Amino acid sequence: KAGVTQTPRYLIKTRGQQVTLSCSPISGHRSVSWYQQTPGQGLQFLFEYFSETQRNKGNFPGRFSGRQFSNSRSEMNVSTLELGDSALYLCASSFSGVGTDTQYFGPGTRLTVL
Amino acid sequence: KNEVEQSPQNLTAQEGEFITINCSYSVGISALHWLQQHPGGGIVSLFMLSSGKKKHGRLIATINIQEKHSSLHITASHPRDSAVYICAVDTGTYKYIFGTGTRLKVLA
Repeated sequence: KAGVTQTPRYLIKTRGQQVTLSCSPISGHRSVSWYQQTPGQGLQFLFEYFSETQRNKGNFPGRFSGRQFSNSRSEMNVSTLELGDSALYLCASSFSGVGTDTQYFGPGTRLTVL
Repeated sequence: KNEVEQSPQNLTAQEGEFITINCSYSVGISALHWLQQHPGGGIVSLFMLSSGKKKHGRLIATINIQEKHSSLHITASHPRDSAVYICAVDTGTYKYIFGTGTRLKVLA
């Protein structure tokens, strides 16, 4: 069974630009969650989607948004990039959602904002 | 004060040693998760606990709900156990709160 895939793996952007990251969950998984990891703040929860509905979100500004498609694939978007948005962005998938069963993480997208 | 605290932050051990990593939390939880992150970023979910104790190979995880505390033990540690171990709690609202992680290095 294929694992969680994230594209692209690496991305370099400049301040003010926007970026879209993609996550394809394991086949059959309906929940996708997103996380930001930085050296200073560690891992932080961004949002969780289940069957195209956002069920919770973390304490991030509105510049961070996401969506989930009917095939469970998910995208997250960051608009008006800031230097502090440089981070590893991870997604994870599961059958029924964060906290209810095992989360399977993707390899991450490393975003650098110059 | 962080809602999820881990100790120690860094740990160096000799191969074969018994290792304990601690996690304390101050919020009500539905479950606690232990994650392992290897260099390069990949994260693997090790355990999900809501009570008692779980064992998988050389790894043992325990949780005391009354004391709001969990421990991850590694028996007969090996250099391949070198990684960052992260405690995460879920509050029943489809959201994780993460600890800051414990960086473990096991020397041969």
